[in-house]
Amino acid sequence: ILNVEQSPQSLHVQEGDSTNFTCSFPSSNFYALHWYRWETAKSPEALFVMTLNGDEKKKGRISATLNTKEGYSYLYIKGSQPEDSATYLCAFIESNYQLIWGAGTKLIIKP
Amino acid sequence: NAGVTQTPKFQVLKTGQSMTLQCAQDMNHNSMYWYRQDPGMGLRLIYYSASEGTTDKGEVPNGYNVSRLNKREFSLRLESAAPSQTSVYFCASTADFYNEQFFGPGTRLTVL
Repeated sequence: ILNVEQSPQSLHVQEGDSTNFTCSFPSSNFYALHWYRWETAKSPEALFVMTLNGDEKKKGRISATLNTKEGYSYLYIKGSQPEDSATYLCAFIESNYQLIWGAGTKLIIKP
Repeated sequence: NAGVTQTPKFQVLKTGQSMTLQCAQDMNHNSMYWYRQDPGMGLRLIYYSASEGTTDKGEVPNGYNVSRLNKREFSLRLESAAPSQTSVYFCASTADFYNEQFFGPGTRLTVL
């Protein structure tokens, strides 16, 4: 059974501080890794689609890195703002088309 | 461009009743998905359709059936609702399985 783990489960961060969290996934049969942001009472929205080992992607203050050999991806948020409060999900896509979601990291930004 | 739409937004059922959740996308996507989201559980895949005319079971298919009516529409049916099916249901679509998924607004279902 494939397992995708995200840590921590939840995180409280002071406004203005930077933070990061992890998505761990199987290191074999990798095809792609997605990051999504899920705000309360809304639907998940894609942040990044990552496919190559060593990939680094950036969107504003949010960036992500990918290490497929060791099976992890980091999501970084620089200078956290209240609007960054959300649950961040990762989804691992295996080469046989199987897609497995992590349970998410819930980020709360304290003003 | 409406993206992914779902109906209804809210529904209350009694145990044993049946209903169909509707999903449609206007992005010409090949693949469509049905998820349920329960507190502390993240997203769990119920069924998916990789392309028009095909459907496959996901992680939690029991108690559900699906129909990929055409490329645009993918419906989820509960034949005999149970309280354990109380959840928020999301439909999603993607151009191809490795691309980002686009989600509908969700249907909040309560089974009494």
